[in-house]
Amino acid sequence: DAGVIQSPRHEVTEMGQEVTLRCKPISGHDYLFWYRQTMMRGLELLIYFNNNVPIDDSGMPEDRFSAKMPNASFSTLKIQPSEPRDSAVYFCASSLAGTSGNGIQYFGAGTRLSVL
Amino acid sequence: ELKVEQNPLFLSMQEGKNYTIYCNYSTTSDRLYWYRQDPGKSLESLFVLLSNGAVKQEGRLMASLDTKARLSTLHITAAVHDLSATYFCAGNTGTASKLTFGTGTRLQVTL
Repeated sequence: DAGVIQSPRHEVTEMGQEVTLRCKPISGHDYLFWYRQTMMRGLELLIYFNNNVPIDDSGMPEDRFSAKMPNASFSTLKIQPSEPRDSAVYFCASSLAGTSGNGIQYFGAGTRLSVL
Repeated sequence: ELKVEQNPLFLSMQEGKNYTIYCNYSTTSDRLYWYRQDPGKSLESLFVLLSNGAVKQEGRLMASLDTKARLSTLHITAAVHDLSATYFCAGNTGTASKLTFGTGTRLQVTL
């Protein structure tokens, strides 16, 4: 498997613009996670899905952030409108839980977002 | 709510030396995970420890779990420069797949 695939790898945008980050999890995994990493706040869990259903979005910072998982092989994280404080590296991770998996989360390469 | 604390936060060590990174967690955690992150890169899974007394080793790294003490350790033997990275531990609770990460330990191995 190619692993978790994120796109784009880098995104530079201006304040107020809409940003969409994309993630393709490992095939067969039933959990998908979105994280944000900054120097100041470390690694933060934003939201996670189980079988395409959002389970916990308590980490989503504001209504400007939304995430969807329309099917088992695709998820998006959208920021609208973007602000400079949203600048961070956003990671997507997937895992296989239950008796078949050990819960290891496999991380994508990340999207480095810069909002000017 | 599970809390995970690592120490030290930063560790500078010479090549050839041994050292241990500690990971304490606040409530029962079914499993304990260790990850490595190189600068500018993603997180890579190193170990998953599934039960009390579990020990896993890979090269110069050895991880162990003591669930009674709520403590996991990552021991580095005869450090080499290539081990320079940030190391994270993470725990989960119950059957949830959500992980709670520690703040990370930045390891710098000097020549």
